[in-house]
Amino acid sequence: QVQLQQWGAGLLKPSETLSLTCAVYGGSFSGYYWSWIRQPPGKGLEWIGEVSHSGGTNYNPSLKSRVTISLDTSKNQLSLRLSSVTAADTAVFYCATGPYGGYLQRWGQGALVTVSS
Amino acid sequence: DIQMTQSPSSLSASVGDRVTITCRASQGISNYLAWFQQKPGKAPKSLIYGASSLQNGVPSKFSGSGSGTDFTLTISSLQPEDFATYYCQQYNSYPLTFGGGTKVEIK
Repeated sequence: QVQLQQWGAGLLKPSETLSLTCAVYGGSFSGYYWSWIRQPPGKGLEWIGEVSHSGGTNYNPSLKSRVTISLDTSKNQLSLRLSSVTAADTAVFYCATGPYGGYLQRWGQGALVTVSS
Repeated sequence: DIQMTQSPSSLSASVGDRVTITCRASQGISNYLAWFQQKPGKAPKSLIYGASSLQNGVPSKFSGSGSGTDFTLTISSLQPEDFATYYCQQYNSYPLTFGGGTKVEIK
């Protein structure tokens, strides 16, 4: 069964670029959709964007100008880049996957990213 | 964007109680509705998809219903491990959106 493991820089300064990776174990990208979601401390969930197994993307309009989500099929990895971060981007970031668009069946363990000067 | 409104935002219940959480969409989403359970410090866990289909491995005390704009999640007999925050999410259209969450606490 598919398992997701995340990693990336945990502390950033304002204006830097956030970079996170999600590795896929026990499965492949074929036929699946891959999303990033974030959750500010003590708050609810916000969807960031999605990439399909074929590479097509959908982004949240509120973040679209700063976000890039991509797949590296050779490494079975999903990545997230969020540019020009501010303190408002401080959150736990999750990767998630499902067999069709928007269906978040399995989630990674989460990675806390703090933006502070 | 489709707004998802959950009610109540929190509730207190006792072990053995039947609990119902409501989720309303700002426009029709057919049955493209999922429910998640989140415990402190953990990732959300998928419980229900397609408004009423139980995820593999999820106990049958959880059930979902609804279509269009109004949906419910019911826990038939609350157990200690069920105290958590529950979120609904629509996947009818992009951007995907979540409800604000319902925190289920011990009375």
